[in-house]
Amino acid sequence: EVQLVESGGGLVKPGGSLRLSCAASGFTFSSYSMNWVRQAPGKGLEWVSSISSSSSYIYYADSVKGRFTISRDNAKNSLYLQMNSLRAEDTAVYYCARMNGYSSDWGQGTLVTVSS
Amino acid sequence: EIVMTQSPATLSVSPGERATLSCRASQSVSSNLAWYQQKPGQAPRLLIYGASTRATGIPARFSGSGSGTEFTLTISSLQSEDFAVYYCQQYNNWPLFGQGTKLEIK
Repeated sequence: EVQLVESGGGLVKPGGSLRLSCAASGFTFSSYSMNWVRQAPGKGLEWVSSISSSSSYIYYADSVKGRFTISRDNAKNSLYLQMNSLRAEDTAVYYCARMNGYSSDWGQGTLVTVSS
Repeated sequence: EIVMTQSPATLSVSPGERATLSCRASQSVSSNLAWYQQKPGQAPRLLIYGASTRATGIPARFSGSGSGTEFTLTISSLQSEDFAVYYCQQYNNWPLFGQGTKLEIK
């Protein structure tokens, strides 16, 4: 059974940093592209970032480019999102998702709240 | 830049009736279109990919159609568990979601 478990969310002040993690199990992690998708409270889904299986290709939404960094450790079956210069509009539930274009596997999400 | 537009924003339908949800892309995404269902406090659940292929375990009352710029999700006979928010997502290039349609009980 595929499992994706996010962690690292919490309350952070504007301008602060946070690092999210996603622990994957139940599939060959090193064979799949992975993504972060977020959802602001009461709002829709927003793709944040993608990383290819070998980290060769990395993409970001314009809204986070230059502030967020996606990475992965295939030896540890883990995905990461380093978030710097956080803003109030980054407040959201952040989901880790196994994606090959679309995604059949999502984590339960971790809440990031940016507030003073 | 592609824009995904879903309509209506809210759809009120009685249990047992048919629901038709629409998704329009501002430029062609071929058949690279997925539909998700999301209930409060839960992660999205994949329903349809490739515009018309049901994901594993999805009941036959869910069907998808369309290609290019116009897509439809049809739920043939609504069950109580189907009332939720539905999102379309194109994956012709970067993943991009529509703003969602809330399907509520009439």
